[in-house]
Amino acid sequence: DIQMTQSPSSLSASVGDRVTITCQASQDIRNSLNWYQQKPGKAPKLLIYDASNLETGVPSRFSGSGSGTDFTFTISSLQPEDIATYYCQQFNNAALTFGGGTKVEIK
Amino acid sequence: EVQLLESGGGLVQPGGSLRLSCAASGFTFSTYAMNWVRQAPGKGLEWVSVISGSGGSTYDADSVKGRFTISRDNSKNTLYLQMNSLRAEDTAVYYCAKDMYNGESGSCFDCWGQGTLVTVSS
Repeated sequence: DIQMTQSPSSLSASVGDRVTITCQASQDIRNSLNWYQQKPGKAPKLLIYDASNLETGVPSRFSGSGSGTDFTFTISSLQPEDIATYYCQQFNNAALTFGGGTKVEIK
Repeated sequence: EVQLLESGGGLVQPGGSLRLSCAASGFTFSTYAMNWVRQAPGKGLEWVSVISGSGGSTYDADSVKGRFTISRDNSKNTLYLQMNSLRAEDTAVYYCAKDMYNGESGSCFDCWGQGTLVTVSS
């Protein structure tokens, strides 16, 4: 299976800060990479698909980039409602895998 | 509005069986692949199984292969997960998730249910 290494596992930032999360695949996955947000006690929500496409209705402060093995997820200006755990997920082959998650907190 | 509603979770003894259901509405169910994704308490997400829109193609994670069976009834807009030979490590919230596409393998989960908790314990 393709391993997805996500970092950091947690971070604390101030409102308005730029936040960056990285995800590294164990092999080339082209742009087959999605990002999800999960708030406590809730189901995950799709934010970014195909590495860089913003899902309908998702605020433009969220963005994604990368291809091959290295990917980046960015919140351009952190808001209080962005407190959540964020996961990357690859779909380059049939055995789908998620990264370990990044818990984002407000400083 | 797309809605997914899981049911069937509960407490089951090791070695036991359970069948989860996911009732779908708000979209043409038969034209999208569907998935099950689980999350153990305090842990990350783990994809479990996918089934194509027609039901003719399925794929399972190695961790559940041979024990879990995904199926669907397009006439009832319902997705199922039959879980046999359950183990303690299968304890998790199980989510059904609509795929963005109708492929033979999963891709991108653009809608999720609220989840149903399965606890495997004696």
